[in-house]
Amino acid sequence: AQKVTQAQTEISVVEKEDVTLDCVYETRDTTYYLFWYKQPPSGELVFLIRRNSFDEQNEISGRYSWNFQKSTSSFNFTITASQVVDSAVYFCALSEAGGSYIPTFGRGTSLIVHP
Amino acid sequence: SAVISQKPSRDICQRGTSLTIQCQVDSQVTMMFWYRQQPGQSLTLIATANQGSEATYESGFVIDKFPISRPNLTFSTLTVSNMSPEDSSIYLCSVSSGANVLTFGAGSRLTVL
Repeated sequence: AQKVTQAQTEISVVEKEDVTLDCVYETRDTTYYLFWYKQPPSGELVFLIRRNSFDEQNEISGRYSWNFQKSTSSFNFTITASQVVDSAVYFCALSEAGGSYIPTFGRGTSLIVHP
Repeated sequence: SAVISQKPSRDICQRGTSLTIQCQVDSQVTMMFWYRQQPGQSLTLIATANQGSEATYESGFVIDKFPISRPNLTFSTLTVSNMSPEDSSIYLCSVSSGANVLTFGAGSRLTVL
């Protein structure tokens, strides 16, 4: 069975600090996808990134970067030079080939960026 | 990616009543997903709605409590029946936008008194 753990319930930082959101997953499938979604206070979830299990290459998009390590079953998300607009709940998710690719979500990490 | 319109955006309901949430997609999709997000919690899949067949419910969710309609490839409704305060949640409609990525509606925030 698939499982996603986001141990950090809430993180509070001051603007311009770097922050890393942790995500650890469990799966028995060799083919799976990992995702990060952002849920701002408005409530609508926004897709940020997808990674498949065969691609461990890290990715950078502006101030956002993702570190995928199969050896530790982790898919961590780093925001560099955080801004107030980054304040949101961030969800990590996993979908398996054996689970019809319907994702399981972690509990989410609430990020609060103070000015 | 698809654009999803969901309504109502929020509602306050009395215990014992029912509420129907509508989800309209701007393109035809095979599967639509209904999620529940209880306060401070993660997203839990309620059911998958396919056009022309009964919805597939996840463990812990039953059709009598959460009947779903899927009359065509762009529309679905979720009804929360005989509501209790424990049903107070955000209910989210979503569709797959390809590559296993989900696109979500803005959600329907339900408060049951």
